[in-house]
This record gives sequence, structure tokens and C-alpha cells, in this order.
Amino acid sequence: EIVLTQSPATLSLSPGERATLSCRASQSVSSYLAWYQQKPGQAPRLLIYDASNRATGIPARFSGSGSGTDFTLTISSLEPEDFAVYYCQQRSNWSYTFGQGTKLEIK
Amino acid sequence: QVQLVQSGSELKKPGASVKVSCKASGYSFTSNAMNWVRQAPGQGLEWMGWINTNTGNPTYAQGFTGRFVFSLDTSVSTAYLQISSLKAEDTAVYYCARAVVGNGRWFDPWGQGTLVTVSS
Repeated sequence: EIVLTQSPATLSLSPGERATLSCRASQSVSSYLAWYQQKPGQAPRLLIYDASNRATGIPARFSGSGSGTDFTLTISSLEPEDFAVYYCQQRSNWSYTFGQGTKLEIK
Repeated sequence: QVQLVQSGSELKKPGASVKVSCKASGYSFTSNAMNWVRQAPGQGLEWMGWINTNTGNPTYAQGFTGRFVFSLDTSVSTAYLQISSLKAEDTAVYYCARAVVGNGRWFDPWGQGTLVTVSS
């Protein structure tokens, strides 16, 4: 099973700052990585698929990059509504795994 | 628009069973696999498995065999998750999520979640 490790566990930033979230896979997942945002009491929402493609309706301040084992989700300038938990997810060998999540909190 | 609507919260006693429904709309139900994801209180996301909406064939992730059953009623575009012999540790929010296929596969959209609480 491929393990996804996200860092940091918690990221404290202020609105307007740039956020950089990391997801590392235990073996290569090519570019087959997705990112989700989850706010308290809500279902996860797809942000990025295939490592760098924004989902429909996702603002341009969200971007994804990486391939192989190292991936990054960048939020260029934080808005108040961006403070949430972010998960990466991969699929291989007919199974899916999620990272443990990064909590983005207001500093 | 594409939407998944799940059944409401459930409170069950240990040893009982529960059946969660997930009704799809806005797309052809049999065009996409349906997945189930568990989120225990304060924890992350855990993939439970998926069901082929064409054949009804389920695949269960490790740790979700035996007491967990995925099923379908394609006539009403609905997927179901049944959990039997409930334990306190089954207390969680359960999500259905449509699988979308591109170069990779991802989940979009998700149902709103169903809280299952197991308590005596």
C-alpha cells in the first residue's frame, strides 16, 4: 500500500500570506494525485486532480505541482475562507489512500 | 448539477445494523463507480472500498470485510452501505463519493455525510 505523508500537520498563517502544503508518497504515483479541502462539518471538496489541474469552480489562487513522490499545494494569497483541513489522495493497484491531513489555521 | 444526497444521522445500539443510502442525481448513475469513505471523530479520511455501478460488484478495503456490505438500486440511482454487528468504534461520519476517471482517479462530488453513532 502506498503511504502518503503530509507536512506540516498544522500550518499557522495570516490572511494574505502564501501557504505551501506538502504531500510525499512512499513510492511513485506518477501525476495521479488529488487534493481536497474540508471545512468543519462539511464534506471534502475536490480542489486539484492529476497533481496540477484545478477542479471546476476552484479559484486560481489554488495551484498544485509535483510528480513521482513529491507534491505541493500552494495557496498564493490566503482568504479567510481558506482556513480548513487539506488532504492529498492517490489511487494505485485498485486502492486509494489519503494523507493524514494538514490543518491550515489562522495565526 | 451532479449531486449525492445521503440519508440522515443514525443512533444505534451495539450489535445492531444500519443502512446508509446515497442517492445520485445529475448524471448517469452507472457511468461512475461509487466509493465509501469513513471519518471517525476528529480523524482523517479512510477509504472503505467501492462498488461497480454497472455490475454491482463490490471491492472492500482492508479492514472493511465481513461486516460491511455495499449494494445498489440502479432503478432509483442509489447506493447503500450496510454495517452489521455495530461496535462503538464504528461511530463515524460515512461519505459516499463518485469516482471520476481521467489520467488518475479522484472523488467528485461527495455526499454530505451520514453520522452513525453507536452507543448503548
